[in-house]
Amino acid sequence: EAGVTQFPSHSVIEKGQTVTLRCDPISGHDNLYWYRRVMGKEIKFLLHFVKESKQDESGMPNNRFLAERTGGTYSTLKVQPAELEDSGVYFCASSSFAVDTIYFGEGSWLTVV
Amino acid sequence: DAKTTQPTSMDCAEGRAANLPCNHSTISGNEYVYWYRQIHSQGPQYIIHGLKNNETNEMASLIITEDRKSSTLILPHATLRDTAVYYCIVRHNYGQNFVFGPGTRLSVLP
Repeated sequence: EAGVTQFPSHSVIEKGQTVTLRCDPISGHDNLYWYRRVMGKEIKFLLHFVKESKQDESGMPNNRFLAERTGGTYSTLKVQPAELEDSGVYFCASSSFAVDTIYFGEGSWLTVV
Repeated sequence: DAKTTQPTSMDCAEGRAANLPCNHSTISGNEYVYWYRQIHSQGPQYIIHGLKNNETNEMASLIITEDRKSSTLILPHATLRDTAVYYCIVRHNYGQNFVFGPGTRLSVLP
C-alpha cells in the first residue's frame, strides 16, 4: 500500500512567486494534515481536513497560504506570494478514523530566494 | 505548546537498549501517548502509542507509569540506524492534530 506522497520533493523559487505543493494521502484516509518546519524551529501544525472540509486551520500563518482538498482526495497548499520566511519543509500527513494513527509523507522542501 | 518534556539529547551504545523518557504530568484521562521519530530530514515516522497499558510492537516498547504522568520508550537493541530525533506527543484520539516539541536527539554510537 502506498504511503503519503508529496510533490515536489524540492522547490526553489524567487520571492514573490507562487508555489503549489501537492499531497496524496493514504487511500481511504479522511483526515489530512499539513505541517511545516522552518529553519531552526519545531514542526508546527498548519491545518486539518476531514474529507474536503477544513476542520481546523488555526495554524495557517497568514492569507498568503491557501489549502484545498477538492473531492476529499488529494490536497494542495499554495503559497502566493512566497516570502523568504516561508522557506522550510512542508509535511503532509493522513489518518483514518478507524485506525487513528497519523502517517507522514517525506515532505516538500521549499527554498525562497 | 507541547504538553510533554523530554531530554534534549541522549547517547546509546550500539546493541544496547535505548530508554527514552518523557514527562506528561498534565495528561488527561482520554489522551494517548504517541512516539514518533525523525531520521535526518525524512518525514516523522510512527513508532508506537498507548493509553495506559504498556505496549510492544516490532519496533519498540512503551512503558507508561500507573499515574500516566510519564512514559519511557524502549528500543531493545539500538542500531546505528536508530539515530534520530524522537518525539513524545500526547493527543486525544479521533482526528486531533499533533503538537510537536523539540524531542530528544538520540545518537547511537558504535
